[in-house]
Amino acid sequence: DTAVSQTPKYLVTQMGNDKSIKCEQNLGHDTMYWYKQDSKKFLKIMFSYNNKELIINETVPNRFSPKSPDKAHLNLHINSLELGDSAVYFCASSLGTSGGAGYFGPGTRLTVL
Amino acid sequence: GDSVTQMEGPVTLSEEAFLTINCTYTATGYPSLFWYVQYPGEGLQLLLKATKADDKGSNKGFEATYRKETTSFHLEKGSVQVSDSAVYFCALSNQGGKLIFGQGTELSVKP
Repeated sequence: DTAVSQTPKYLVTQMGNDKSIKCEQNLGHDTMYWYKQDSKKFLKIMFSYNNKELIINETVPNRFSPKSPDKAHLNLHINSLELGDSAVYFCASSLGTSGGAGYFGPGTRLTVL
Repeated sequence: GDSVTQMEGPVTLSEEAFLTINCTYTATGYPSLFWYVQYPGEGLQLLLKATKADDKGSNKGFEATYRKETTSFHLEKGSVQVSDSAVYFCALSNQGGKLIFGQGTELSVKP
């Protein structure tokens, strides 16, 4: 059983398009995150939700909009995609907010042409 | 702001060699410290963690000790294997569960 799953695994699209990435966790965790890993493998947090409430919103362009329909799901919608959005996006989850993210998804590699 | 600095990679070792990957941090308060490993084409896996000064995290032969006096959390393993080849990330968490990562250190172990 996959603990944190993401779809799709690969996403190739044109500049200006809108796309979504979905994330689901079956661990019973109450906190979920989106991280971005750039081409140099540097990882940076984008958003965090605790019990469906947004608690971390880093300086991310408002073209990125997360949505948490329930505690087990955190989706990421990106409008008007730009070349610089090309990266690997990781979803993660944890129980509570004091211990970092224990479980990461396999990642979604987004390529914007 | 809070930050994490790791030694530059890539690190290339022969099988059964001793591994040290240095990690230092800057943070307010008392952060928790983590090591994550990323195997090629995969997501991150939590390798070990320590939540207070002098705690030692350990897993799969890897160890790291939370040193507040030197603000360090160096990763060590006594005898590496080819299967340990991966990218290793040091990270800290201070509030809200947010992880701040170092730049990652690529390890390559040759038979």
